[in-house]
Amino acid sequence: EAGVAQSPRYKIIEKRQSVAFWCNPISGHATLYWYQQILGQGPKLLIQFQNNGVVDDSQLPKDRFSAERLKGVDSTLKIQPAKLEDSAVYLCASSLTGVNYGYTFGSGTRLTVV
Amino acid sequence: GNSVTQMEGPVTLSEEAFLTINCTYTATGYPSLFWYVQYPGEGLQLLLKATKADDKGSNKGFEATYRKETTSFHLEKGSVQVSDSAVYFCALRDWGAQKLVFGQGTRLTINP
Repeated sequence: EAGVAQSPRYKIIEKRQSVAFWCNPISGHATLYWYQQILGQGPKLLIQFQNNGVVDDSQLPKDRFSAERLKGVDSTLKIQPAKLEDSAVYLCASSLTGVNYGYTFGSGTRLTVV
Repeated sequence: GNSVTQMEGPVTLSEEAFLTINCTYTATGYPSLFWYVQYPGEGLQLLLKATKADDKGSNKGFEATYRKETTSFHLEKGSVQVSDSAVYFCALRDWGAQKLVFGQGTRLTINP
């Protein structure tokens, strides 16, 4: 089966600029996640969607980050305006619903804010 | 809340050595447990999982047993290879929030 697709693979922007990331999950996976992975740390959940509804966005810095999942398939994550501390790898993952299932991760987008 | 604690890295071993990476967890209820691996420049890949107490997950020579009494899920491999060099993450997924909670990762380097 096709994996989780993410783009772009790399992005360099200046602070205060905006940036958007795109994710296409595995077909049939109702649950979609965005994680932030800062260098040397484990991934941190930013937002979880079930179909096109938000289940958990408690860790999302809503003053600058936004995410949507239209039609319950593709998703975009946006940062506006970016800060230096947003430099990280942004990982998208999808899964079937149920605690016994692991996630399938995309390759991630490496963001550098200068 | 739920949490996962892994042994501090980095870990450096010689080829064919025995590997153990410790992982303990705190969770309400009965989570499923996972090990993910991240090779340089790549995303996370599921390595193995266990969904209930005493289950043993295994894949590519790696094994981990779900120990409810010690709340542990240690990763082991009998003979490591250079190609096993990567960062390993222990994670849990609980019945409530159903989100994956990760440990901080352990960087493993295998020298020929």
